[in-house]
Amino acid sequence: QKEVEQNSGPLSVPEGAIASLNCTYSDRGSQSFFWYRQYSGKSPELIMFIYSNGDKEDGRFTAQLNKASQYVSLLIRDSQPSDSATYLCAVHNSGGSNYKLTFGKGTLLTVNP
Amino acid sequence: GAGVSQSPSNKVTEKGKDVELRCDPISGHTALYWYRQSLGQGLEFLIYFQGNSAPDKSGLPSDRFSAERTGGSVSTLTIQRTQQEDSAVYLCASSRSGGNQPQHFGDGTRLSIL
Repeated sequence: QKEVEQNSGPLSVPEGAIASLNCTYSDRGSQSFFWYRQYSGKSPELIMFIYSNGDKEDGRFTAQLNKASQYVSLLIRDSQPSDSATYLCAVHNSGGSNYKLTFGKGTLLTVNP
Repeated sequence: GAGVSQSPSNKVTEKGKDVELRCDPISGHTALYWYRQSLGQGLEFLIYFQGNSAPDKSGLPSDRFSAERTGGSVSTLTIQRTQQEDSAVYLCASSRSGGNQPQHFGDGTRLSIL
């Protein structure tokens, strides 16, 4: 059973701070990793994806991947109240079912004004 | 269309009735996925389509659940003889192709079984 683990939170940060969200995964062969943002009552929205070890930056978001440690993280700089949401980590399975995403249960982020 | 479109957005029905949920993927996306999200739970994979074929139906919870896709585009998920445990948000996603392509989600159908 492939697993993706996230701290459920809630993670509370003040406005303007850096929010750090973490995720570990069990499938050592996984090659692609995604972060989705889900507002309450809404569907998941893709915000970042990363395929290679290291950092990938897009605006205020940075995804970090360490395949050796089976660890992926999302940093949100200059956090805004509008960033308050649940963040889902998703990992593509390796092998023949590489179309299948396994999701973590999400980390609830609250950004306080 | 610009995004994945799902209908209806909400469905309330009585236990034992059949329901049909519809998904229209992003134009040009060959891969389509159905997921289910129950209250407080993670996303549960149901089925994957590549074109009109469904190479992976492993996530369908029972034989009351079925899905089809026609013309390589619109998909319908059918739940027969609904049960209260079927109450959930049913999410459809599409991607440009299968494999490790990013998946984009529709707004979902919130299904409530009375």
